[in-house]
Order: sequence, then structure tokens, then C-alpha cells
Amino acid sequence: NAGVTQTPKFQVLKTGQSMTLQCAQDMNHEYMSWYRQDPGMGLRLIHYSVGAGITDQGEVPNGYNVSRSTTEDFPLRLLSAAPSQTSVYFCASSPSPGTVGYTFGSGTRLTVV
Amino acid sequence: EDQVTQSPEALRLQEGESSSLNCSYTVSGLRGLFWYRQDPGKGPEFLFTLYSAGEEKEKERLKATLTKKESFLHITAPKPEDSATYLCAVQADSGGGADGLTFGKGTHLIIQP
Repeated sequence: NAGVTQTPKFQVLKTGQSMTLQCAQDMNHEYMSWYRQDPGMGLRLIHYSVGAGITDQGEVPNGYNVSRSTTEDFPLRLLSAAPSQTSVYFCASSPSPGTVGYTFGSGTRLTVV
Repeated sequence: EDQVTQSPEALRLQEGESSSLNCSYTVSGLRGLFWYRQDPGKGPEFLFTLYSAGEEKEKERLKATLTKKESFLHITAPKPEDSATYLCAVQADSGGGADGLTFGKGTHLIIQP
């Protein structure tokens, strides 16, 4: 039982480059979400999905894009990386958002230079 | 706007020295309050969910309590392996629970042998 798997674990990008952070879960959870964690700040929601084909914006969506074609996968795309997107990114899933604790992945540490 | 404030920011205890971490919250209708543990370089690990004032939950040396304005995480006779950052988060009643958690900045706990 792998839980939530994120790849890659580390990534360095140049300003303007694009990339996709991968997230996969094997628990058949309908709800998946992406957070970013920055020093001195709490985790902040970027985008979320309540099921395949359904996505919505969170608190800090600008510069990011998501899609949900299957229950298992929820990739996060950086369209044109900026230094302000340097952060640690976490993917999380839950069978019932708000009432059952989320399962988090181990994170992707992204540096944009 | 939902807000979560955790105190203290950092806490250093001797092994066996019991203490409490505080989480004060402001939310427009509480759906759930969550406690997570985060070790360096890893994703948050779910500990507890509390739903209503007066509720208490326990797990090993940890006990979480909830009032209408705050939650406490009590740590009894801690061991060095309890060292971690403890995160508090709330889920508001609006949005059906899908619009994500509001996290505090965390309390960094160090237990010295």
C-alpha cells in the first residue's frame, strides 16, 4: 500500500521553464489536492479535485494548472516557472474532505533560479 | 477569513517533561479541526480530527482537546522520538469540505534526552 506518491523529490528549474509535478494515490480517494509550504507560512492550497474530470482553484492558484483524468492521478503543471514558486509542494488525498484526515505525499522540493 | 494561530512557535522540553501546544482558530462554522505531525523532509502525518467542543482524542502520549475557540495538544512524558513540527488545521463548514484546510504555521517541538 503505497499511499500518495510524488515525483520528483527534488527539481531545479530556470525561470520561464515549465514542468509537471506528478501525484498518484492507490487508495481510491475521490478528493485530491495540492499545497505549497513556504518558510514561516502555513501550508496553502493551490488546486483541488473532488473527482475525475472536476478541478477547482484554491487560495494560491496563479501560475499553476491541474487536470484529473483518472481517480489515481492529479498532476500539477507550472506553466512558466518564477522564483516566487520556489517551495515545497505536497499532494494530499482523502475519501471525504473535511471530515477524514488527509494522507499527504512526501513532497517535491522545487527551486527556481 | 479563516485563521489558525499556533503557539508557541518553538518549544524545547526535557524527556519526560509534559506540556501543551495551543491552536487558536477563527472559522465561519467548524467542520473539523485536524492535528498533524511533520518530520523534517517529509509530508504531514495525520494524528487526530476533532469535530465539536468538548471532544477529546488520545494516541499514545498525545491527547487533543477542543473548545469553541481553541484546541490543545497535550504531550505527556514525551520521548525524543516525539520531536517534530506539529501542525493544526481547520476545515470550514462552507464549500462542502472541498475547499481545503487552513493551516497554522506549526509548533516546532524538541525533546532533549
